[in-house]
Order: sequence, then structure tokens, then C-alpha cells
Amino acid sequence: DIQLTQSPSFLSASVGDRVTITCRASQAISNYLAWYQQQPGKAPKLLIYAASTLYSGVPSRFSGSGSGTEFTLTISSLQPDDFATYFCQQLNSNPLTFGGGTTVETK
Amino acid sequence: QVQLQESGPGLVKPSQTLSLTCTIFGDSIISGGYYWSWIRQLPGKGLEWIGYVYYNGNTYYNPSLKSRVTISVDTSRKQFSLRLTSVTAADTAVYYCAREGLAYNWFDPWGQGILVTVSS
Repeated sequence: DIQLTQSPSFLSASVGDRVTITCRASQAISNYLAWYQQQPGKAPKLLIYAASTLYSGVPSRFSGSGSGTEFTLTISSLQPDDFATYFCQQLNSNPLTFGGGTTVETK
Repeated sequence: QVQLQESGPGLVKPSQTLSLTCTIFGDSIISGGYYWSWIRQLPGKGLEWIGYVYYNGNTYYNPSLKSRVTISVDTSRKQFSLRLTSVTAADTAVYYCAREGLAYNWFDPWGQGILVTVSS
């Protein structure tokens, strides 16, 4: 199975901050990576797929980059709705796997 | 707008079978454009993909659960179902159904999730 390691696990930030989350894969997965946002008590929502393609309706302050084994999710200017947990997921091969999550909390 | 909704018992006894159903609203399950998946979120937030079913009944299961899992589809009711046998406390989780892309295997949308507790 492909292991995904996210860092940091927790991140304290303020509204307006630029936030970057990293996801590292245990083997090369080209651009087969997605990012999700999960609010407490809610299901995850797809933000980005193919490493850098913004899903329909997702604000442009979210962006993704990377290829191979290292990927990043960037929020250019953190908004109140963005305090949440973020997960990466590899789309390269079955079984599909997820990273452990990064919780963005208020500083 | 596509919506998915899980249903089933929230409490299952150890060694018994967990059975959940996902009903699809606003999409055609027989269009063949997607897989239909089950994912669970264990306490402490870890997400685990369980497997998928295609409209024609083809399935793929996570090897970690394969011996205990069956996912089936009922196209006439626009539903797909999960059966997990011989459950233990380690199977306590929030179970989600989700639509899975074919070309890029992302998940969207997800159901609201259903908490299943395994306890006597």
C-alpha cells in the first residue's frame, strides 16, 4: 500500500495568513493526488484533484502543487471557514489511501 | 445536485454483521460514469477506503478487509450496500458512502456519514 505522510499534524494560524500543508508519498504517484477539507462533524469535501486542479466551486485561494512523492496544499489567505482538517489522498493505485490529516486551528 | 444518504443500524454486537445502505439522489447509477464506494473514519480521524462497486456489479475491496466485506448494487432502487462480517470494536467508525471518479479516483460527493458502534 502507498503510505501518505502529512505535515504538520496541527497548525495554528490567523485569518489572513498564508498556510501550507505538505503530503509525502511512500512511492512516486505522478500527479495522482487529491486534497479534502473536513469540518467537525461533517463529511470531507473535495478541494483539489490531479495534484493541482481546483474542483468546481472551490475558492481560488486554495491551490495545490507537486508531483512524484511531494505535494503541497496552500491557502493564500486563510478565511474563517478554512479552520478545519485537511486530508490528502492518493489516486494512483488500489487500495486508495489517505494521509493522517492536518488540523488548522485558530492561533 | 447529487446527494448520497447512508442508512442502517448504529449499534452492532461483536461477531455480528454490519449492514449499511446508501441511496443515491440526483444521479443515474447505471450511467457507468462512476464507481460507488464505502469509506470509514476511525476514531481519531483516520480515513480508510473499504471498496467500490460498479453499476454492473463489479467490485474491488481493500485487501485489509477483503475477507469480511461485500459491496453490492441495486440499480432499480438506486442503492448500493455494504456488509461487513465478524465485526469487533475495531470496526467502530463513521461509515461514509461516496461517488468515486473513474479516471481520477477522487470522492465527491460524500454522504453525511453514519456512526456505527460495535458493542455488546
